[in-house]
Amino acid sequence: DAGVIQSPRHEVTEMGQEVTLRCKPISGHDYLFWYRQTMMRGLELLIYFNNNVPIDDSGMPEDRFSAKMPNASFSTLKIQPSEPRDSAVYFCASAPRGGSGANVLTFGAGSRLTVL
Amino acid sequence: AQSVAQPEDQVNVAEGNPLTVKCTYSVSGNPYLFWYVQYPNRGLQFLLKYITGDNLVKGSYGFEAEFNKSQTSFHLKKPSALVSDSALYFCAVRFFRTDKLIFGTGTRLQVFP
Repeated sequence: DAGVIQSPRHEVTEMGQEVTLRCKPISGHDYLFWYRQTMMRGLELLIYFNNNVPIDDSGMPEDRFSAKMPNASFSTLKIQPSEPRDSAVYFCASAPRGGSGANVLTFGAGSRLTVL
Repeated sequence: AQSVAQPEDQVNVAEGNPLTVKCTYSVSGNPYLFWYVQYPNRGLQFLLKYITGDNLVKGSYGFEAEFNKSQTSFHLKKPSALVSDSALYFCAVRFFRTDKLIFGTGTRLQVFP
């Protein structure tokens, strides 16, 4: 398996623009997580899905952020409109349902977002 | 409130010496505890976890962690540090009866030759 695939790896945009980050989880994994990493706030959980259904979105900063998982192999995190304070590295991670691998997250390489 | 804390921003150790990276937690119910490592410009990688059983958990790359219920700690250890162990280490806890993993602020480990 190629692991968790995120795109784009780097995105530079101007304030007010829409940003869409994409994630392909590991095949067969039931859980998908979106995290944001900044120097100031560390690693924050934004939202997670189980079997494509959003379970907890309490970490989503505000209405400008939205996440979807239309099927088991694809998820998006959208920011509209973007602001400079959204600049961060956004990680997607997936995890299997049970067994010895339960709750063990496999992370993608991250999408580094810079909003000017 | 459920939380995880890493009290040290950075730990410095000489190569060949033992290392300890500290983690304390506060959770409801039995804790599910994890350690992850992040190398520059990479995503986090799983090192080890504690769910139940022996308090000493062994993981990848020679790392181990000791679960101490009375002190609510889960410190990461390695008997002999390598320069290649230099990275950012995160402790994580699973919230009670959820699949929500919350990470500590991270500890930068620097191993000097």
